[in-house]
Amino acid sequence: GDSVTQMEGPVTLSEEAFLTINCTYTATGYPSLFWYVQYPGEGLQLLLKATKADDKGSNKGFEATYRKETTSFHLEKGSVQVSDSAVYFCAPRGSQGNLIFGKGTKLSVKP
Amino acid sequence: NAGVMQNPRHLVRRRGQEARLRCSPMKGHSHVYWYRQLPEEGLKFMVYLQKENIIDESGMPKERFSAEFPKEGPSILRIQQVVRGDSAAYFCASSRVGGADTEAFFGQGTRLTVV
Repeated sequence: GDSVTQMEGPVTLSEEAFLTINCTYTATGYPSLFWYVQYPGEGLQLLLKATKADDKGSNKGFEATYRKETTSFHLEKGSVQVSDSAVYFCAPRGSQGNLIFGKGTKLSVKP
Repeated sequence: NAGVMQNPRHLVRRRGQEARLRCSPMKGHSHVYWYRQLPEEGLKFMVYLQKENIIDESGMPKERFSAEFPKEGPSILRIQQVVRGDSAAYFCASSRVGGADTEAFFGQGTRLTVV
């Protein structure tokens, strides 16, 4: 069945460091791909998305490129801030429309 | 335009009681998804509903759990005879249509604690 694998957390970085969170997936066909962010005690917010191969999603300095050949959608940010501390979820969209989540990657950014 | 509204935000139930979780989708959205998040875990898909229809319930436990999305009113996730293992955060998401590239908007969740 469809699944997603994210790098294990927690990830701890200093402010202004470069961030990469790896994400690979297995799915039928070419699903749309999403990154969601969850702040403590809150629901999930869409961070960015890509709907076809080679698309690059971007928002708030975060970027991810849909790589069909490696079935990956790695999240990157050039300079993280303390306010980026949250849990990040990579999620392909299943054939029925439901999102498929992994365990998430917790990011802590220290001043 | 209000976002996805879930209530209550926090719910405490004793073992054996019933829990009812409500989700009002965003205005104009007719597709609703329910997910469960156990502590320190990701979100697990439970059920996908469209108005008055269950589209996909492959993630729902076979017993005690049910969901509905009536023509009028919110979607309801119902858990009968709750057990400690049902303690989790339950999130609802809605989308305008069910297409694969349609954005789903999430509510803030209901945190269920079974004591």
